[in-house]
Amino acid sequence: NAGVTQTPKFQVLKTGQSMTLQCAQDMNHEYMSWYRQDPGMGLRLIHYSVGAGITDQGEVPNGYNVSRSTTEDFPLRLLSAAPSQTSVYFCASRTMNTGELFFGEGSRLTVL
Amino acid sequence: GIQVEQSPPDLILQEGANSTLRCNFSDSVNNLQWFHQNPWGQLINLFYIPSGTKQNGRLSATTVATERYSLLYISSSQTTDSGVYFCAVERWGGYQKVTFGTGTKLQVIP
Repeated sequence: NAGVTQTPKFQVLKTGQSMTLQCAQDMNHEYMSWYRQDPGMGLRLIHYSVGAGITDQGEVPNGYNVSRSTTEDFPLRLLSAAPSQTSVYFCASRTMNTGELFFGEGSRLTVL
Repeated sequence: GIQVEQSPPDLILQEGANSTLRCNFSDSVNNLQWFHQNPWGQLINLFYIPSGTKQNGRLSATTVATERYSLLYISSSQTTDSGVYFCAVERWGGYQKVTFGTGTKLQVIP
């Protein structure tokens, strides 16, 4: 049972480069979300989705794009990376009927 | 949005000691969870507890939704309990945004 899978686990980018963080879940969860965690802070919501074709902004959406073409996948795109986007990124999912969130193992991104 | 405050921000315990972590939130919520982030960065579900009391081994949690707080109890602490404990809340009704507190960093020393 894989749960929530994030790739890559580590990535180094140069300012201005683009990349996509992948997130996949095999639990048939309707709700998926992306968070970033910065040192000494809790997790802050970037974007979330309540089903295929439906996405919405969280607390810190600027600089990030998302799409949800399937129930299983919720990729996070950085179109032009900035040093301020250096962070650890977590993907999470849950059903809409219960509130229990399940997290992936995180992706550590460094932007030089 | 909902404000979530956790206390204390830092806690150092001797192995075997007990502790209570607190989570206060500014509005009524439908969903509350406690997580443990271990030293390797993994987020582990401890409790899904929008109301009432639950126990799991040495850990237990109580949420008093009407008074807008939740407590996490750790008894007979072990070094493996070290890490950061987060409380996360969500208010339904058109809003699907889970808000995290800034966490309590716990260090258990032998």
